[in-house]
Amino acid sequence: QKEVEQDPGPLSVPEGAIVSLNCTYSNSAFQYFMWYRQYSRKGPELLMYTYSSGNKEDGRFTAQVDKSSKYISLFIRDSQPSDSATYLCAMKKGGTSYGKLTFGQGTILTVHP
Amino acid sequence: EAGVAQSPRYKIIEKRQSVAFWCNPISGHATLYWYQQILGQGPKLLIQFQNNGVVDDSQLPKDRFSAERLKGVDSTLKIQPAKLEDSAVYLCASSLDAGPYEQYFGPGTRLTVT
Repeated sequence: QKEVEQDPGPLSVPEGAIVSLNCTYSNSAFQYFMWYRQYSRKGPELLMYTYSSGNKEDGRFTAQVDKSSKYISLFIRDSQPSDSATYLCAMKKGGTSYGKLTFGQGTILTVHP
Repeated sequence: EAGVAQSPRYKIIEKRQSVAFWCNPISGHATLYWYQQILGQGPKLLIQFQNNGVVDDSQLPKDRFSAERLKGVDSTLKIQPAKLEDSAVYLCASSLDAGPYEQYFGPGTRLTVT
């Protein structure tokens, strides 16, 4: 069993739709939770970064973390064609020397006009 | 602020050949990472440097992969000899320090082994 599971999709939605992306994890040592966006032939770029359970909002993006269920989500409101990309969830254990990110498989999202 | 630089962007080699990738992290970043991203998968950490010391290389295939970070700045990742299954994108990332700091990724080097 993989430590982080993410539905690879692909997911295709019309412009303006609300998109929901999810990941589950098995390792309770994970303390930091991230969502990255990766455009084709580019490196991942950080979208959202959360530490504790709860919600975090940044513009059209909302990240949710539920540590009790080992489940994280990313919501995109009013989706745009420019949001078309692969979305990767990533997690990291605590500790000052620890840096390794454990990624999900990535979900391919297409937003069509 | 300049981002993480990587070269080359693309490389095609035959199996059993050797190849090297170069990474220049963001200035002042103490921690440097190399990740391998196979098509259709998320990145997987190969090695983590703290300044010029190795912190984690548990997933580095040490019989064929090697990496170094001279003077705690630039880094090179080498594969010798390459196998077909090494075809992937090799991503370099850096962060101000280890722990909770954000990791910034470079554009990656796409390796094809034929």
